[in-house]
Amino acid sequence: DAKTTQPTSMDCAEGRAANLPCNHSTISGNEYVYWYRQIHSQGPQYIIHGLKNNETNEMASLIITEDRKSSTLILPHATLRDTAVYYCIVSTLNYGGSQGNLIFGKGTKLSVKP
Amino acid sequence: GAGVSQSPRYKVAKRGQDVALRCDPISGHVSLFWYQQALGQGPEFLTYFQNEAQLDKSGLPSDRFFAERPEGSVSTLKIQRTQQEDSAVYLCASSLAGNYGYTFGSGTRLTVV
Repeated sequence: DAKTTQPTSMDCAEGRAANLPCNHSTISGNEYVYWYRQIHSQGPQYIIHGLKNNETNEMASLIITEDRKSSTLILPHATLRDTAVYYCIVSTLNYGGSQGNLIFGKGTKLSVKP
Repeated sequence: GAGVSQSPRYKVAKRGQDVALRCDPISGHVSLFWYQQALGQGPEFLTYFQNEAQLDKSGLPSDRFFAERPEGSVSTLKIQRTQQEDSAVYLCASSLAGNYGYTFGSGTRLTVV
């Protein structure tokens, strides 16, 4: 079973920030938080990951609470192309220090509306 | 190529038929994963390779499922005696060594009739 809890769906107006929450209250000290998204009929796409510090890249920002029990993915200026299912996943590193097996839940279906 | 390539894109198999699904990862990617995604669900882990070594096959649902990556690059997922419950999208992902995100392919949609 997935170790995260996400809202089933969210709406966001085009051009506004989309803030997607995720609860992971049982996260352990060596588990990272990963975010992926899946646009219809495509494979999942990696967005960002973090351990305890906030992270930002060209796609999004990841805010992790100090106790690490929850996080928020922020898409600063959502576009129609950001409509997708967003998955929040916690996972350890595997044998070679690579990202481990991912357990996807049902994710949040984000609909960006004009 | 620039991404992970999977073939065929669609496959229709008669119940009992064997199928082989191919994954061409990004050149130089050490890690390779297979996932199964049923309609309306998130992907579920099947198996993991590090180079040619299959280090985890705990997600394979039965002994009808077999995966290989003999030279550490291209991988094949084989399903023997297909059954209707095998109908799903099969996704392949690869990544560099180290804590990097996976790159997924577009998947193979298998329909067993």
